[in-house]
Amino acid sequence: AQRVTQPEKLLSVFKGAPVELKCNYSYSGSPELFWYVQYSRQRLQLLLRHISRESIKGFTADLNKGETSFHLKKPFAQEEDSAMYYCALRGDNYGQNFVFGPGTRLSVLP
Amino acid sequence: DADVTQTPRNRITKTGKRIMLECSQTKGHDRMYWYRQDPGLGLRLIYYSFDVKDINKGEISDGYSVSRQAQAKFSLSLESAIPNQTALYFCATGSPGALSEQFFGPGTRLTVL
Repeated sequence: AQRVTQPEKLLSVFKGAPVELKCNYSYSGSPELFWYVQYSRQRLQLLLRHISRESIKGFTADLNKGETSFHLKKPFAQEEDSAMYYCALRGDNYGQNFVFGPGTRLSVLP
Repeated sequence: DADVTQTPRNRITKTGKRIMLECSQTKGHDRMYWYRQDPGLGLRLIYYSFDVKDINKGEISDGYSVSRQAQAKFSLSLESAIPNQTALYFCATGSPGALSEQFFGPGTRLTVL
């Protein structure tokens, strides 16, 4: 069964500090992993996906299949990064859907 | 981004009432989804549809039904609303493929008294 866990419900950091939002998953095949973000009063939107190996708004995430993790990192947090972050997984079988983690609320303090 | 719209945006109803939430999209995607969001539980899939003739139950379909009236429209119904269905409901669309992602509507906040 597919499952995504995010151990932290809330993460508070000061502006300029490094950020790491943790995500672990369970899946027997080769998953696709995503990070979605929901800013205040905005709809949920894709931040980045592991297959693209991209850096968006200074955030990066590396898929570690050995540790079944896809942690989201940023070296220097900004106040505008404050939002709800969801890690999501999609399986490699046709018809597989996205499974979302419970989310982590990031609060960047001035 | 008005590509995925939901109506109503807010609704308060009473226990036992039937209620319908509507979703429309202009992205031309075949796949549409309904999720509910609860604090601490994230998004959970209620129903999904890969095309007009394809409807599938998600993780938490009990107490809900859906209708895919057209490629662009996907409605969620609560047959007899109960208080623990109070939540934020999101519609999403998506396309298959390696670079697939989901595009979300603004959400409908439903309160069942």
